[in-house]
Amino acid sequence: GIQVEQSPPDLILQEGANSTLRCNFSDSVNNLQWFHQNPWGQLINLFYIPSGTKQNGRLSATTVATERYSLLYISSSQTTDSGVYFCAVKETSGSRLTFGEGTQLTVNP
Amino acid sequence: GAVVSQHPSWVICKSGTSVKIECRSLDFQATTMFWYRQFPKQSLMLMATSNEGSKATYEQGVEKDKFLINHASLTLSTLTVTSAHPEDSSFYICSAMWGALETQYFGPGTRLLVL
Repeated sequence: GIQVEQSPPDLILQEGANSTLRCNFSDSVNNLQWFHQNPWGQLINLFYIPSGTKQNGRLSATTVATERYSLLYISSSQTTDSGVYFCAVKETSGSRLTFGEGTQLTVNP
Repeated sequence: GAVVSQHPSWVICKSGTSVKIECRSLDFQATTMFWYRQFPKQSLMLMATSNEGSKATYEQGVEKDKFLINHASLTLSTLTVTSAHPEDSSFYICSAMWGALETQYFGPGTRLLVL
């Protein structure tokens, strides 16, 4: 099956800093989603982005499908950005999402 | 839009009892729902795919007689953990697929503790 690798596994920032999270995948995909899992466990949809670039406020994402990676940018981080960020993909020939191991982000005041 | 609820959010039970978890799509119809399990500090692991009106498809290594899934309507799927044991303690999360893009939206999860 498809492999999904996220980096870095852990990231600690001061409030106001910017960061880039990366997601590499091993095969062609037709669905790529970024999620934020808050401290209570709820997964929040950030982006549906199998290709191209999207922006939503302080967050933006870029997926280069031909090179099999996606990037999530967080600018001017806030303490409420803390949590785990997951990338999940669905390969073209498949029917289910495969999750990466996540990036644990801690934003300190 | 695309809100998914789960009930209960927390459950503590004695070993040997069965526990039912409900997953509802509140503002859309979902022909396909998914059940995941997550252990502390780990990623989500897909347990099964639930299709309305048909039998669930279980992932390799997931006991279908232990984790009973029913998807009786377009807005409700249930997961029943039968004869629960302490090793079944985990965070169970459901999701529902919505729209032409097949985007998945997740419920808030259910924390199960088996004593």
